[in-house]
Amino acid sequence: DAKTTQPNSMESNEEEPVHLPCNHSTISGTDYIHWYRQLPSQGPEYVIHGLTSNVNNRMASLAIAEDRKSSTLILHRATLRDAAVYYCILRDLGNYGGSQGNLIFGKGTKLSVKP
Amino acid sequence: SQTIHQWPATLVQPVGSPLSLECTVEGTSNPNLYWYRQAAGRGLQLLFYSVGIGQISSEVPQNLSASRPQDRQFILSSKKLLLSDSGFYLCAWARGAGVNNEQFFGPGTRLTVL
Repeated sequence: DAKTTQPNSMESNEEEPVHLPCNHSTISGTDYIHWYRQLPSQGPEYVIHGLTSNVNNRMASLAIAEDRKSSTLILHRATLRDAAVYYCILRDLGNYGGSQGNLIFGKGTKLSVKP
Repeated sequence: SQTIHQWPATLVQPVGSPLSLECTVEGTSNPNLYWYRQAAGRGLQLLFYSVGIGQISSEVPQNLSASRPQDRQFILSSKKLLLSDSGFYLCAWARGAGVNNEQFFGPGTRLTVL
């Protein structure tokens, strides 16, 4: 799986939008961009994923650069419950072989939300 | 709806003692199952995955082993724990290996080896 680069930490104020960047300059044409987050002392949870077009769901939006070498997870109004470590992960569409769609987690971005 | 259970929630074990962590999934059949470990201050590391009963693949060499005796049961074991086995152990399931199949994680077991 191609590598991703994220800032170690970010801060946000409650009720304000948050833009979490991810660089993936070696992304291949069949790599999907996935985001998971991990709240303190809990297991990770799925946030969103996309391939080329921007994606929206009830949790967040995913903005993907035209060249796909970077993406941004957007939380439209941060709440205290959004404080977590956010992981940007690439998953290969064609990876049905030995790795069976496994997730490879990096260090992620620790998001702090101030009231 | 589907749920995933892990127990125990916390565990303190002496070095050299055996280990057995259990994970069960409800509300789905023939899931892919995964064991991850998160050591203090580090990211999640995939340890084992299983695509069916009795089918286990190991991602990293270690003194841990995994078994899948039933479709929705995944067990992580060790005969003799090491200090380096301490960490947060997470079980996860997915409907399949496809890239659009999200993984659902359990609440985790925090293991401290003394």
